[in-house]
Amino acid sequence: RKEVEQDPGPFNVPEGATVAFNCTYSNSASQSFFWYRQDCRKEPKLLMSVYSSGNEDGRFTAQLNRASQYISLLIRDSKLSDSATYLCVALSGGSYIPTFGRGTSLIVHP
Amino acid sequence: NAGVTQTPKFQVLKTGQSMTLQCAQDMNHNSMYWYRQDPGMGLRLIYYSASEGTTDKGEVPNGYNVSRLNKREFSLRLESAAPSQTSVYFCASSRLADYNEQFFGPGTRLTVL
Repeated sequence: RKEVEQDPGPFNVPEGATVAFNCTYSNSASQSFFWYRQDCRKEPKLLMSVYSSGNEDGRFTAQLNRASQYISLLIRDSKLSDSATYLCVALSGGSYIPTFGRGTSLIVHP
Repeated sequence: NAGVTQTPKFQVLKTGQSMTLQCAQDMNHNSMYWYRQDPGMGLRLIYYSASEGTTDKGEVPNGYNVSRLNKREFSLRLESAAPSQTSVYFCASSRLADYNEQFFGPGTRLTVL
């Protein structure tokens, strides 16, 4: 069982929709969390870090729920350009090995 | 600022051949990583270097060796390539090994026949 689990999707949504992804992690010692975006045949790029208090960057909101051991990503007012795979990452305190989820595919259509 | 660069972008090898993938970063980061990405498997860590002068195994180190040449450069070597090593290889760097986000290079697409 992988330590970080994501629904692979694809999530197929119309432009302007709000979409949310969850990512569960099994290691309770995980301290740092990130969301990355990966376009087809490209490298992953950092979308946002996930803080305990939650954080927002424009149309994107990330939340952390330590009690239930999941992080979430909410995308409001989806754009065609949001179509990509979204990877969540957990890193345990004192560990140098980040654990990547397998990614959730998002397709935004006109 | 080029960020993280990787060479080559594409490579085709025959089984048993060797090659070295090169990676360099210009962000003065301490930590560097090598991953492979296969369909349905996600990113898997091969080796990492938490700081200059150190290297450690990741999740899937068998068949690979690494060298942290200096703070900027971290190479990955396949001594005797196998078809199972056909994959996309990403190099990444981070300011520090823990609590820090990683920055990825554009990847090397390797096919082993």
